[in-house]
Amino acid sequence: DVKVTQSSRYLVKRTGEKVFLECVQDMDHENMFWYRQDPGLGLRLIYFSYDVKMKEKGDIPEGYSVSREKKERFSLILESASTNQTSMYLCASSLEYRKEKLFFGSGTQLSVL
Amino acid sequence: GDSVTQMEGPVTLSEEAFLTINCTYTATGYPSLFWYVQYPGEGLQLLLKATKADDKGSNKGFEATYRKETTSFHLEKGSVQVSDSAVYFCALKDSSYKLIFGSGTRLLVRP
Repeated sequence: DVKVTQSSRYLVKRTGEKVFLECVQDMDHENMFWYRQDPGLGLRLIYFSYDVKMKEKGDIPEGYSVSREKKERFSLILESASTNQTSMYLCASSLEYRKEKLFFGSGTQLSVL
Repeated sequence: GDSVTQMEGPVTLSEEAFLTINCTYTATGYPSLFWYVQYPGEGLQLLLKATKADDKGSNKGFEATYRKETTSFHLEKGSVQVSDSAVYFCALKDSSYKLIFGSGTRLLVRP
């Protein structure tokens, strides 16, 4: 089975800190995604990547950046964390030819105080 | 833009009851439609899908039929179990890389 691993289950940070969320997948998937999940809003796409060093903005990229230096790893960066970035962050990956079947990590609950 | 609307939860049922979770969509073109499920403490996983009108997706006793005329993709199960308690997300995908998710519906099944 595909495994998508997110480095932390819970994270608490201070306003203004630079925050790194790490995601690793073990099945050589081309596509990787970062979503945030908020009650009543469902999942919203922040950024995605379809190849190493390639990235595209999703629906809510403001305040975030990403890095994909290796195929298996996709990092989400909060340049200066703010309280409105308190959320559950979900990483996902998919094969190029099965784009619709996403494999998700179990999420990182980030609290910004 | 494209969007997905799901019924508000939580939905609370007794074991062996019939389940319906409503989902409607707005899209240009002919999207593929999906149901994802998120069990407590886990990431989302694909439950079923349908790629064209009148297709029926099914898995683990759950079913959903792609209804183009009503732009709907309602999830049904004839007899729910406690282990079905989870959050269910309806989603659509057009020709791009993106999946667009609904807000999710929490299902709680009581013994």
